[in-house]
Amino acid sequence: DAGITQSPRHKVTETGTPVTLRCHQTENHRYMYWYRQDPGHGLRLIHYSYGVKDTDKGEVSDGYSVSRSKTEDFLLTLESATSSQTSVYFCAISGNIEAFFGQGTRLTVV
Amino acid sequence: AQTVTQSQPEMSVQEAETVTLSCTYDTSESDYYLFWYKQPPSRQMILVIRQEAYKQQNATENRFSVNFQKAAKSFSLKISDSQLGDAAMYFCAYSQEYGNKLVFGAGTILRVKS
Repeated sequence: DAGITQSPRHKVTETGTPVTLRCHQTENHRYMYWYRQDPGHGLRLIHYSYGVKDTDKGEVSDGYSVSRSKTEDFLLTLESATSSQTSVYFCAISGNIEAFFGQGTRLTVV
Repeated sequence: AQTVTQSQPEMSVQEAETVTLSCTYDTSESDYYLFWYKQPPSRQMILVIRQEAYKQQNATENRFSVNFQKAAKSFSLKISDSQLGDAAMYFCAYSQEYGNKLVFGAGTILRVKS
């Protein structure tokens, strides 16, 4: 299995609080992605990175920011969590080969 | 923007029978990649099969095969000799570059009856 780890795996947070999800890879892949999975929508791209400090918005980027200061780490931040951000979040990596996914983080905003 | 549509929210199949999951997509590009992913209850995303648009031959992986109709923008997945372990959510996905920036359909839940 590809070396990709998401943390935390589960989190419950209150509305209005900041939340950071971490994705760590050991494959030295160039591309990293954050998706969210919601019923009826499949997975939708939030943000992606094509290198250190090179990031871009995806389809559902509002309310989210990302940072990539090292090749191996890609952070997703919810500046002020809202109930609509309750979801399962997946990190993925690729190097112009097959995309590999992390185990997902279930985030609940109450 | 590219879109992927899976019109079957849920499907059922008897063990050892064959089932086909449907997927259509919309793109103006001529070169692209299509994928089927399986998501069991563990939540892990597992690549089942992939198809390069420039290849006319339909991809096959053991009991899994696709029917790729480029002109119709259709990409269905056929599962033969269904097994209990095939029960999962199946996602169809599109990518302009292999493995990058995937666009997913809403998914189809496959139930396998013993």
